[in-house]
Amino acid sequence: DIQMTQSPYSLSASVGDRVTITCQASQDITNYLNWYQQKPGKAPKLLIYDASILETGVPSRFSGSGSGTDFTFTITSLQPEDIATYYCQQYDSLPFTFGPGTKVDIK
Amino acid sequence: QVQLVQSGAEVKKPGASVKVSCQVFGYTFTSYAISWVRQAPGRGLEWMGWVSTNNGNTNYAHKVHGRVTMTTDTSTSTAYMELRSLTSDDTAVYYCARDGVGVAPGGTFDIWGHGTMVTVSS
Repeated sequence: DIQMTQSPYSLSASVGDRVTITCQASQDITNYLNWYQQKPGKAPKLLIYDASILETGVPSRFSGSGSGTDFTFTITSLQPEDIATYYCQQYDSLPFTFGPGTKVDIK
Repeated sequence: QVQLVQSGAEVKKPGASVKVSCQVFGYTFTSYAISWVRQAPGRGLEWMGWVSTNNGNTNYAHKVHGRVTMTTDTSTSTAYMELRSLTSDDTAVYYCARDGVGVAPGGTFDIWGHGTMVTVSS
């Protein structure tokens, strides 16, 4: 199975800050990577697919980049409604696997 | 409005089985496959498997293979996930999610159900 790691495990930032999360795959997954946002008690929400394509309706302050084994997720200006846990997920090969998540809150 | 509506919370004893349903609204059921993902309390997300809504083909994660069956009922636009021989490790929220349009698992889950809490306890 492909192992996904994320860092940091959690972070605290101020409103308006730039927030960056990294995700690393244990082997080359080209660009078969998604990013999800999960708020407490809610289902995950797809934000970015194919590593860098913004899902319809998702604010442009969210972005993704990377290919191969190293990926980055960025919130350019953190908003209070962005408080959530963010997960990367690979779909290069079965079984699909998720990273452990990065919890983001407001300082 | 596109939505996946799941069945209600369940409490089961160890060794029992549970069957969770996921009814689709707002799009043609057979246009997209369904994947199932679970999340143990305070833990991350785990993909369990995939079912084609066209022909019923399935692909299961090896962790649950042999204990899980995923099926569909096109007459009611409903997908089902049955898990047998439950243990406390199966206590989790179970989500259905819309998967891709192909004949194999796509892996991008763009619409999710609200989740079904399954508690396994003696």
